[in-house]
Amino acid sequence: DAGVIQSPRHEVTEMGQEVTLRCKPISGHDYLFWYRQTMMRGLELLIYFNNNVPIDDSGMPEDRFSAKMPNASFSTLKIQPSEPRDSAVYFCASNRQGQSSEAFFGQGTRLTVV
Amino acid sequence: AQSVTQPDIHITVSEGASLELRCNYSYGATPYLFWYVQSPGQGLQLLLKYFSGDTLVQGIKGFEAEFKRSQSSFNLRKPSVHWSDAAEYFCAVGATNAGKSTFGDGTTLTVKP
Repeated sequence: DAGVIQSPRHEVTEMGQEVTLRCKPISGHDYLFWYRQTMMRGLELLIYFNNNVPIDDSGMPEDRFSAKMPNASFSTLKIQPSEPRDSAVYFCASNRQGQSSEAFFGQGTRLTVV
Repeated sequence: AQSVTQPDIHITVSEGASLELRCNYSYGATPYLFWYVQSPGQGLQLLLKYFSGDTLVQGIKGFEAEFKRSQSSFNLRKPSVHWSDAAEYFCAVGATNAGKSTFGDGTTLTVKP
């Protein structure tokens, strides 16, 4: 398996623009997680899905952030409008409950909002 | 609420020397504990995990960690560090699903030749 695939790897956008980050989880995994990593706050869990259904979005910082999982092989994290303080590395991870529960992380998307 | 403290922000060791990275956790029940490594520009890779049983767990790349309930600690060790071990290391505590873990702030390891 190719692992968790995120795109794009790097994104530079202007303040006020809409940004969409994409994630393809490992096939067969029924949990998907979105994390944000910053120097100030470290790794924060933003939202996670189980069987494509959002279970806990309490980590989503503001209404400007939204996430969807239309099917088992694709998820998006959208920021609209983007702000400079949204600059961070966003990670997607997936796993399958019932196994060892190890979370498999993608390589991340480095977002810069100027 | 669960929390993780990694007291050392940055550690420098010489190649071939032993390594210990500290991790202290706060958790209301029996914790599930993890150590991840992150190389620059990469995602996190699981080194090892503790769920139950033997308190000394072995991981990949020659790492091990020991769970000490009395000290609320889960320190990571390696007897002989290689230059390729230079990276950032994260300790995490969570429920049954590793993806819902709370992560520490990380420890950056520098390896001197």
